[in-house]
Amino acid sequence: DVKVTQSSRYLVKRTGEKVFLECVQDMDHENMFWYRQDPGLGLRLIYFSYDVKMKEKGDIPEGYSVSREKKERFSLILESASTNQTSMYLCASSRAGALGQPQHFGDGTRLSIL
Amino acid sequence: AQTVTQSQPEMSVQEAETVTLSCTYDTSESDYYLFWYKQPPSRQMILVIRQEAYKQQNATENRFSVNFQKAAKSFSLKISDSQLGDAAMYFCAYRAQETSGSRLTFGEGTQLTVNP
Repeated sequence: DVKVTQSSRYLVKRTGEKVFLECVQDMDHENMFWYRQDPGLGLRLIYFSYDVKMKEKGDIPEGYSVSREKKERFSLILESASTNQTSMYLCASSRAGALGQPQHFGDGTRLSIL
Repeated sequence: AQTVTQSQPEMSVQEAETVTLSCTYDTSESDYYLFWYKQPPSRQMILVIRQEAYKQQNATENRFSVNFQKAAKSFSLKISDSQLGDAAMYFCAYRAQETSGSRLTFGEGTQLTVNP
């Protein structure tokens, strides 16, 4: 089974802090994704990566950056955390190729910015 | 831009009954996939079922089936013989050509409650 592991289930940080959310997958997937999930808004794509050192902006990249130095790891960075970034963050990975390839998700990180 | 709409924020069903969750989408693409994902409380999001746009036959996975109406851009999920373990948030999602980076576009979600 594909395993996507997010480093923390719950995280509490303060406004202005630099926050790192880590995601690791063990199936050699080319594609990795970061979403945020908010009630009534579904999942919104922040950034994605289709190869090492490659990144693409999603729908809501403002206030975030990402890093993919190794194929299995995709990090989401909040450069200066703000209260409106309090949310559930989901990481996912998928194999490149056919459209039908599903995305596999981690358990999520519930981030609170105080 | 592609959009996915789930018009039912909440649904409930009695155990052993059948429930249908609605999803509509907007696209100008001809080749795409549609997915239903399930997110149980405090648990991982998992794929329930998927449908390729070119296939006319509706996909089925055990108690889960879809009603895919391509012309109407509708993709509903039917859960038969509902079980307590079916209680979850359900998301409809869409993916078009590979040039879009394999990204999924999600609907707002439908919270399903199963009553014993």
